[in-house]
Amino acid sequence: TQLLEQSPQFLSIQEGENLTVYCNSSSVFSSLQWYRQEPGEGPVLLVTVVTGGEVKKLKRLTFQFGDARKDSSLHITAAQTGDTGLYLCAGAPGGSNYKLTFGKGTLLTVNP
Amino acid sequence: NAGVMQNPRHLVRRRGQEARLRCSPMKGHSHVYWYRQLPEEGLKFMVYLQKENIIDESGMPKERFSAEFPKEGPSILRIQQVVRGDSAAYFCASSKPGASWNTEAFFGQGTRLTVV
Repeated sequence: TQLLEQSPQFLSIQEGENLTVYCNSSSVFSSLQWYRQEPGEGPVLLVTVVTGGEVKKLKRLTFQFGDARKDSSLHITAAQTGDTGLYLCAGAPGGSNYKLTFGKGTLLTVNP
Repeated sequence: NAGVMQNPRHLVRRRGQEARLRCSPMKGHSHVYWYRQLPEEGLKFMVYLQKENIIDESGMPKERFSAEFPKEGPSILRIQQVVRGDSAAYFCASSKPGASWNTEAFFGQGTRLTVV
């Protein structure tokens, strides 16, 4: 069974600070996705990374896929209160890319 | 263009009752996926359906759970004789035929099932 460990589990910071959250596995994934989920809502896809070492930027968010395609990180610069939410990583094994393995998430709270 | 619609948003059932969760995919989407999010757990894949076909149900519990996606109407996830352990958020996602899940699958808002 492929597992994804996310850390930290909880993170509370002040507006304007930078932060990094991590997603680690002992297994290789063909691609890895990051989602944000707000209370009472479904996950919303932020980005997909597919190539080892790949870096993608989405405004203040920077996503990196590890060289060995076993881990990923999400860095947020100058966090805003609107960034508050549960950040989930999900890995697709080779072949059936719909059968995603999700981590438990990092719950980020950005305080004003 | 409406997104993936799930209803009800919240469902309360007594132990032993049946729960029916509905998912209407986005317009033009004929592939539906159900995931379950248990308290303190990550989302777990349950089943993948196309119109009138179950493609992969490897994540479905063997008993009491069933899913369908008829030619007309929404996809239904049915849980018979619910138990407290079935309490969870159930999410549906949809995609077009031939789409890449990576960029073209979208989740609904979920149904929160509470078994009392």
